[in-house]
Amino acid sequence: DVKVTQSSRYLVKRTGEKVFLECVQDMDHENMFWYRQDPGLGLRLIYFSYDVKMKEKGDIPEGYSVSREKKERFSLILESASTNQTSMYLCASRQIALGNQPQHFGDGTRLSIL
Amino acid sequence: GQNIDQPTEMTATEGAIVQINCTYQTSGFNGLFWYQQHAGEAPTFLSYNVLDGLEEKGRFSSFLSRSKGYSYLLLKELQMKDSASYLCAVRSPSGGGADGLTFGKGTHLIIQP
Repeated sequence: DVKVTQSSRYLVKRTGEKVFLECVQDMDHENMFWYRQDPGLGLRLIYFSYDVKMKEKGDIPEGYSVSREKKERFSLILESASTNQTSMYLCASRQIALGNQPQHFGDGTRLSIL
Repeated sequence: GQNIDQPTEMTATEGAIVQINCTYQTSGFNGLFWYQQHAGEAPTFLSYNVLDGLEEKGRFSSFLSRSKGYSYLLLKELQMKDSASYLCAVRSPSGGGADGLTFGKGTHLIIQP
């Protein structure tokens, strides 16, 4: 079974802090993704990575950055946290070998910015 | 652009059958996924359709009509544990991310005794 692990289930930070969300997958997947999920807005793509050392902006990258120094780990960074970044953050990974491969998700990090 | 529509909320009775619809308008089409997401948990993969027709997996079935831009997820013999959100996601050449996947906003399904 694919395992995608996010470092924290719940996190509380203060406005202006630099926040790191970590995601690790154990299946040697090439693609990795960061989403945020808000009521009424669904899943929105923040950043994604085709493979190690690669990163691409998604639909809502403002205020975020990412790092993928190792294939199994994809980190999301909030440079200076703001209250509008309070949300559920979901990491996902995917193997590209076959076209019908789904994305596999971690359990999510519920982040509150005070 | 990409547009995926699902009902926001549905209610059904334990033991019954429910059909959750998804319509999409995308530039090109490379497949459609259904995910289940229980409150506070990760979305989990349910089914994949790329050709027209019905795919059956136990109590769950998924149907696709590419010409109509339409899919549905059919849940039979409903159980209380089926209360969850169901996400429709379409893969297309102009979609987002590494695999062109765009998610609908999800349908919250409530099962009543």
